[in-house]
Amino acid sequence: NAGVTQTPKFQVLKTGQSMTLQCAQDMNHEYMSWYRQDPGMGLRLIHYSVGAGITDQGEVPNGYNVSRSTTEDFPLRLLSAAPSQTSVYFCASSSRTQYFGPGTRLLVL
Amino acid sequence: QKEVEQDPGPLSVPEGAIVSLNCTYSNSAFQYFMWYRQYSRKGPELLMYTYSSGNKEDGRFTAQVDKSSKYISLFIRDSQPSDSATYLCAVSISSGSARQLTFGSGTQLTVLP
Repeated sequence: NAGVTQTPKFQVLKTGQSMTLQCAQDMNHEYMSWYRQDPGMGLRLIHYSVGAGITDQGEVPNGYNVSRSTTEDFPLRLLSAAPSQTSVYFCASSSRTQYFGPGTRLLVL
Repeated sequence: QKEVEQDPGPLSVPEGAIVSLNCTYSNSAFQYFMWYRQYSRKGPELLMYTYSSGNKEDGRFTAQVDKSSKYISLFIRDSQPSDSATYLCAVSISSGSARQLTFGSGTQLTVLP
């Protein structure tokens, strides 16, 4: 039982590049979410999903897209990376409480 | 004004000390209160989960909620160097949306041997 896994662990992008952050869980949780963590800002919700085929926006959704084709996977896409998207990204899945992945550190130059 | 305010620290204490970590929140609709522990370069992990006002104890950790003053606390007794981490408080309106959490900014704690 791996829990929540995220890839890659670290990524450097140039402004304007696109990429997908991968997230997978093996706990059969319906609810999954993406957060970003910035110094002094805590964790802020980007997007979430209550089940396959259903997604919705969180507090800071601009510049990010998500889709949920299976219960296990919830990828986060950056369409055109900006320096303001430099952050640590956490994926989480939950039943009653949230279980977080190890994070992806993203640097946008 | 942020919905959840948390003193970022850093807080440094000697081993064996009692640690008090605190958060305040502004929305009286919050009913569920959590504390997460985050080690450096790791994801947050749930430490304590409480509902409504009162105390909840788990080993050396005690979570306290005072809804009348919108104040939540985490106490760590007999602190250990392994407790060195960032502690995040989180709140939610209901258990149905407990997964949609509002987090404080975190307090960085160092316990010195």
